[in-house]
Amino acid sequence: TQLLEQSPQFLSIQEGENLTVYCNSSSVFSSLQWYRQEPGEGPVLLVTVVTGGEVKKLKRLTFQFGDARKDSSLHITAAQPGDTGLYLCAGEVYDMRFGAGTRLTVKP
Amino acid sequence: GAVVSQHPSWVICKSGTSVKIECRSLDFQATTMFWYRQFPKQSLMLMATSNEGSKATYEQGVEKDKFLINHASLTLSTLTVTSAHPEDSSFYICSATTGYGYTFGSGTRLTVV
Repeated sequence: TQLLEQSPQFLSIQEGENLTVYCNSSSVFSSLQWYRQEPGEGPVLLVTVVTGGEVKKLKRLTFQFGDARKDSSLHITAAQPGDTGLYLCAGEVYDMRFGAGTRLTVKP
Repeated sequence: GAVVSQHPSWVICKSGTSVKIECRSLDFQATTMFWYRQFPKQSLMLMATSNEGSKATYEQGVEKDKFLINHASLTLSTLTVTSAHPEDSSFYICSATTGYGYTFGSGTRLTVV
């Protein structure tokens, strides 16, 4: 079983739509990170959240860390084709562990 | 910002040969680096934690004699896949911790034929 469960696993939407991706765990994390990975490349850090209940915004992306620091969500407003990629959440306990990822496709 | 350089980007080797992958921290010192493996359409799975000047810590199920890790300096960790077989074909990624989180290399696509 994965330490971090991400849902949905796949998501295909039209340009302009909104979407939310979830990352859940039964473990408490000191910090949780979201990454975006494109094919053939390493993951690129989008955001780190450390405080329970924290909300961070990065342009059209809104990240929220659960109050209990066990879960997080990523909301994208008005998705664009350039948002296409694999979104990974990762939580740090003693080292960094990744969720299975959400593969997002935004169609023009 | 912190940059991790990984080489080669891709490599094709014959079954039974060994392949070395390098991971360098370019503008910071990394006492700890991590090696991940990623199969197509799957997430990253931690293989081992590489510690400068000491033995690597391997995850359960990862053969330490097959995946040799050397972290001889604060800026370089290497992963050697020994006696590679087609099932070792995968995308291998290293990362290092910085003051701002984890920075990843660009990955190495290994194909064993």
